[in-house]
Amino acid sequence: DQQVKQNSPSLSVQEGRISILNCDYTNSMFDYFLWYKKYPAEGPTFLISISSIKDKNEDGRFTVFLNKSAKHLSLHIVPSQPGDSAVYFCAAWAGTASKLTFGTGTRLQVTL
Amino acid sequence: KAGVTQTPRYLIKTRGQQVTLSCSPISGHRSVSWYQQTPGQGLQFLFEYFSETQRNKGNFPGRFSGRQFSNSRSEMNVSTLELGDSALYLCASSFRAGTDGYTFGSGTRLTVV
Repeated sequence: DQQVKQNSPSLSVQEGRISILNCDYTNSMFDYFLWYKKYPAEGPTFLISISSIKDKNEDGRFTVFLNKSAKHLSLHIVPSQPGDSAVYFCAAWAGTASKLTFGTGTRLQVTL
Repeated sequence: KAGVTQTPRYLIKTRGQQVTLSCSPISGHRSVSWYQQTPGQGLQFLFEYFSETQRNKGNFPGRFSGRQFSNSRSEMNVSTLELGDSALYLCASSFRAGTDGYTFGSGTRLTVV
């Protein structure tokens, strides 16, 4: 049972444009959400997070939006840069002492 | 400060053998989690250890096991290897789990032939 879903396995965006990565979840107990970025042959690195009490969190070029009623979150990257090309994982937490549940990832390619 | 260290980086084993992977967390981190990454499956949770106790376990067969030592270093073991166990195994550490987020190691690439 995939509780965190990233339905787009890949996304291609031109440099300078906006990249929007989507994530859906089914478990209403999730109360904290994170995005990780992964380059080949490296472990995932933390990008940005959002608590369920908020609907938006911004950090530089990265903004995460949370729509709790739709159980949907999205990551916006503006402007997209070639160095952003990587696999992005959405992850969710159901409170302290629970496991971090990951989606299947979206491969973003930023083209020149 | 030193990051999460996983050894070895690459491993080739034969079906039926067993393997032990090691993870040294960031100093002071007490929680260590293990994930399996395969193409199309994302990161599948194996187990989490906190202060030497297994706190959470994923849906993997009993051939997958782990432990954590008093210095927070962790090992995972896979017995009777199958071809389908070929994957990238990632270890992540955090101070207390939860909203601190995880810091991942670079992983161990296991190939079973």
